[in-house]
Amino acid sequence: AQSVTQLDSQVPVFEEAPVELRCNYSSSVSVYLFWYVQYPNQGLQLLLKYLSGSTLVESINGFEAEFNKSQTSFHLRKPSVHISDTAEYFCAVSPMDSNYQLIWGAGTKLIIKP
Amino acid sequence: GAGVSQTPSNKVTEKGKYVELRCDPISGHTALYWYRQSLGQGPEFLIYFQGTGAADDSGLPNDRFFAVRPEGSVSTLKIQRTERGDSAVYLCASSLTRQNTGELFFGEGSRLTVL
Repeated sequence: AQSVTQLDSQVPVFEEAPVELRCNYSSSVSVYLFWYVQYPNQGLQLLLKYLSGSTLVESINGFEAEFNKSQTSFHLRKPSVHISDTAEYFCAVSPMDSNYQLIWGAGTKLIIKP
Repeated sequence: GAGVSQTPSNKVTEKGKYVELRCDPISGHTALYWYRQSLGQGPEFLIYFQGTGAADDSGLPNDRFFAVRPEGSVSTLKIQRTERGDSAVYLCASSLTRQNTGELFFGEGSRLTVL
């Protein structure tokens, strides 16, 4: 079985400051890893994913996440946040041997303070 | 359509009533998923369709829940004898292929409130 832990339910940060949203997972099998974002009044959207290869993956809007197998983590970071980054961010994993289920964390609300 | 469409966006019903939630996936997407999201939690897998057939319905909580996709496109999630604990946002997603190497496209969800 798999589980995903997002320790912070909310992260307040000032505009233009850096941010890290934490994600840890537990799994007895290898997994693929995802970050999804939900902007206010919108559906969930894929932000970035790790399938294989380089452990550092990037999104088009400046977010990056690094897969750390030894620490079973996939933290999301951005060096300078913008008010438009206000959203809820969900970390999810998919076991490689059951390749259609996503197991989700509880989400982290990113609150940008002006 | 341009994206995944879910109707109704909000549904308020009384305990014991029957409810249907509809999902219209992106045209050409063969895979369709239903998830349920309770307040303060991440989505929880309910069922996965590949084409017309339910490839995995292991996430359906009990036999009051049923989903169909008769023509391999639109899907309907059906809940009988609703209970207050069924209150949640029901999310539908579709993908071109099985999701773990592709991207899931989500609708905005149907918020169900059982009084």
